[in-house]
Amino acid sequence: EAGVTQFPSHSVIEKGQTVTLRCDPISGHDNLYWYRRVMGKEIKFLLHFVKESKQDESGMPNNRFLAERTGGTYSTLKVQPAELEDSGVYFCASSKDAIGFDTQYFGPGTRLTVL
Amino acid sequence: AQKVTQAQTEISVVEKEDVTLDCVYETRDTTYYLFWYKQPPSGELVFLIRRNSFDEQNEISGRYSWNFQKSTSSFNFTITASQVVDSAVYFCALSETTDSWGKLQFGAGTQVVVTP
Repeated sequence: EAGVTQFPSHSVIEKGQTVTLRCDPISGHDNLYWYRRVMGKEIKFLLHFVKESKQDESGMPNNRFLAERTGGTYSTLKVQPAELEDSGVYFCASSKDAIGFDTQYFGPGTRLTVL
Repeated sequence: AQKVTQAQTEISVVEKEDVTLDCVYETRDTTYYLFWYKQPPSGELVFLIRRNSFDEQNEISGRYSWNFQKSTSSFNFTITASQVVDSAVYFCALSETTDSWGKLQFGAGTQVVVTP
């Protein structure tokens, strides 16, 4: 069974540009979570999808971040326009059953550097 | 407010020594879940263990063991006879059941360095 995959693994962009991160969850997992770790800080929750619906987006820092999960499969996280403080590692995780607080399995992360 | 505290920033040990990582959490929920994840140098987060608040039995998996004590709100992790491959950042995380939908709240992580 394939694990959670994320693309790209690294992205270096200039301030003001747009970047789109992609996450493919484990097949059959309805729940998809985005987290990020900025330099020196804790891993922080961004948002949670149940299938294609946003269940909780309380962690999204501002309206420059837009997440989608069309069709309830893969998800994208777009940052537009990117700022220096957006640099960090963005993790995606998926789980089968949020009601039971199933284990979340993480992808390898996307390291975003904004110059 | 920080709900998961990992007070140890970095622990350095020599191979074959035991190492214990502390995790203290804070919650008002009676039902909650605790997790440990390992982040090796390659960067991915690897799931190690999930424990619910009603199960206070300690657990052992090979060289890994976990000590869950509700009375002190702690969920400590011990690596016995450490090996170089154990070098990684270890994260403790809490999932509350009230208004949470499973989101994880992480501690700051503890860097473990095992030298030969």
